[in-house]
Amino acid sequence: GAVVSQHPSWVICKSGTSVKIECRSLDFQATTMFWYRQFPKQSLMLMATSNEGSKATYEQGVEKDKFLINHASLTLSTLTVTSAHPEDSSFYICSALSPSFISGATDTQYFGPGTRLTVL
Amino acid sequence: QKEVEQDPGPLSVPEGAIVSLNCTYSNSAFQYFMWYRQYSRKGPELLMYTYSSGNKEDGRFTAQVDKSSKYISLFIRDSQPSDSATYLCAVSIGNEKLTFGTGTRLTIIP
Repeated sequence: GAVVSQHPSWVICKSGTSVKIECRSLDFQATTMFWYRQFPKQSLMLMATSNEGSKATYEQGVEKDKFLINHASLTLSTLTVTSAHPEDSSFYICSALSPSFISGATDTQYFGPGTRLTVL
Repeated sequence: QKEVEQDPGPLSVPEGAIVSLNCTYSNSAFQYFMWYRQYSRKGPELLMYTYSSGNKEDGRFTAQVDKSSKYISLFIRDSQPSDSATYLCAVSIGNEKLTFGTGTRLTIIP
């Protein structure tokens, strides 16, 4: 249970174009999803919290007009990187909040496999 | 000061050894403590989850939380080559955002 998928797994695009990344919870409904960015050999940095049916909450320093998030249903959130530039090249990972399958735990985050974005 | 400090390693140990991974944190408001395992180019996988202080054991893995010293640990017994991965500690106050450590890259040598 608690499987999260992402599509695409990797994408290469030209500078100035936009890229959409999908995050799906496959076997559960998630009212809350999160988007992270991870640079090589660094930890995950939270970009935004996505709530179904409402506007996303962005972390300080993350441009909301550049990283558009849409959480249109209880199983799908999308991240669109607009006018991508080489410095946006990174590993983007989503997670979905679910009742935990671990004994004693409250809702926990289950992560997708990530999307590697390379902007040329 | 970072909210969560974790030695990035790399850490190499022989197969069968006991592995000790650690993190410290600065905010006493953190109540939930997690360990994730991340294989190269994959998303993190939740390994252990602890609420407040104490120990939790799951198979070869033991998580410890000492809130008085703001110190969390993950022990891996009888380490296997398949345990080679990056281990990330994560803390949170509630169900909102997780704050991650930088991750420790672990290699188990056959």
